[in-house]
Amino acid sequence: GAGVSQSPSNKVTEKGKDVELRCDPISGHTALYWYRQRLGQGLEFLIYFQGNSAPDKSGLPSDRFSAERTGESVSTLTIQRTQQEDSAVYLCASSFGVMNTIYFGEGSWLTVV
Amino acid sequence: EDQVTQSPEALRLQEGESSSLNCSYTVSGLRGLFWYRQDPGKGPEFLFTLYSAGEEKEKERLKATLTKKESFLHITAPKPEDSATYLCAVQDATNTGNQFYFGTGTSLTVIP
Repeated sequence: GAGVSQSPSNKVTEKGKDVELRCDPISGHTALYWYRQRLGQGLEFLIYFQGNSAPDKSGLPSDRFSAERTGESVSTLTIQRTQQEDSAVYLCASSFGVMNTIYFGEGSWLTVV
Repeated sequence: EDQVTQSPEALRLQEGESSSLNCSYTVSGLRGLFWYRQDPGKGPEFLFTLYSAGEEKEKERLKATLTKKESFLHITAPKPEDSATYLCAVQDATNTGNQFYFGTGTSLTVIP
């Protein structure tokens, strides 16, 4: 596609529910990144994929968070048993390779009530 | 430990008043330094990539420069539509994790 596409753009969920956030990277981009940005704060690295494998999961904040990527394309970030502190915008980015600029989607805004 | 520090945190300029934003960094080996613009409620929009000290890039009213320890984003004669948060990020060539380390940004407001 022309740009990184994320869905849903907005999600309100009840505490304790599971949510899935989807990222569709730019066509041909082999690297894919997930970041979290809390209101008024900087970007927090979560995980990145090279192809379908995730060499670096160090940023995932707890075992409630998981991510997968299939077909070297779409990625899903899953948050289980959501907590209020999970409220944030989740940003996905992709790049053509490890030495290239990353391009962001518009984010998925998650509100846990 | 890789670090990126941006200053000032916030900047208010009159339209036409030129200024510079600073990004200082500490990395073992710089693979690249990146500038992004982020509007409220939007994802970061790519502006520039710089790879080596002495390199400069320009786009409209923006010019990015790089030294071995810091980068500057110069804004010449800014307009209200330049109001946004400007983010700086570095990629460490020695980090096998391929992470991009982001600063917390400079919030720029340009007053008509």
